[in-house]
Amino acid sequence: DAGITQSPRHKVTETGTPVTLRCHQTENHRYMYWYRQDPGHGLRLIHYSYGVKDTDKGEVSDGYSVSRSKTEDFLLTLESATSSQTSVYFCAIRQGDHGYTFGSGTRLTVV
Amino acid sequence: AQSVTQPDIHITVSEGASLELRCNYSYGATPYLFWYVQSPGQGLQLLLKYFSGDTLVQGIKGFEAEFKRSQSSFNLRKPSVHWSDAAEYFCAVGAGNNNDMRFGAGTRLTVKP
Repeated sequence: DAGITQSPRHKVTETGTPVTLRCHQTENHRYMYWYRQDPGHGLRLIHYSYGVKDTDKGEVSDGYSVSRSKTEDFLLTLESATSSQTSVYFCAIRQGDHGYTFGSGTRLTVV
Repeated sequence: AQSVTQPDIHITVSEGASLELRCNYSYGATPYLFWYVQSPGQGLQLLLKYFSGDTLVQGIKGFEAEFKRSQSSFNLRKPSVHWSDAAEYFCAVGAGNNNDMRFGAGTRLTVKP
């Protein structure tokens, strides 16, 4: 078990409010990722990090920002949530060439 | 950028029957290929992966997949499906640096008693 914890597990928020999702890992992995999962789209990469303060955009980064001030924490922020950001968000870490290990997800509803 | 197509949105098989889930990818170089499984309300679990070498790879839970470069395919197979295999299955392709993994839309598997 790679020790990935996502918080919160569920959140309902109002349109226009800021939201921050947290991903915490306990095994000092360098690479961390945020994906969103929507029906018919599979998982799409939002942002990823390759070290403390080193991040890069993914396929669907508009409307999202990330921060990584410590190796163990990777934060995803929706500056002003919109209904189109209602989704299930997954954090993942990369374990060498062994593929990715995913957290249990955060279900976000924007009303 | 690389991409993945899973042609079947939903497949139903009888318990004990064989299973094949299709995956086609698009990528100019040798890809990193993966199959993941997701049970309802859960994260994704890695079933198997292909980087190089033997084109038939074995995974967990009795699954295997075969890389066919000529067909740009990486189909997942299982000889005899169990009711507990009912889940959603995702094929994924990673680029050379493995930092931009693209997923297919998924295939939902239903197992009939």
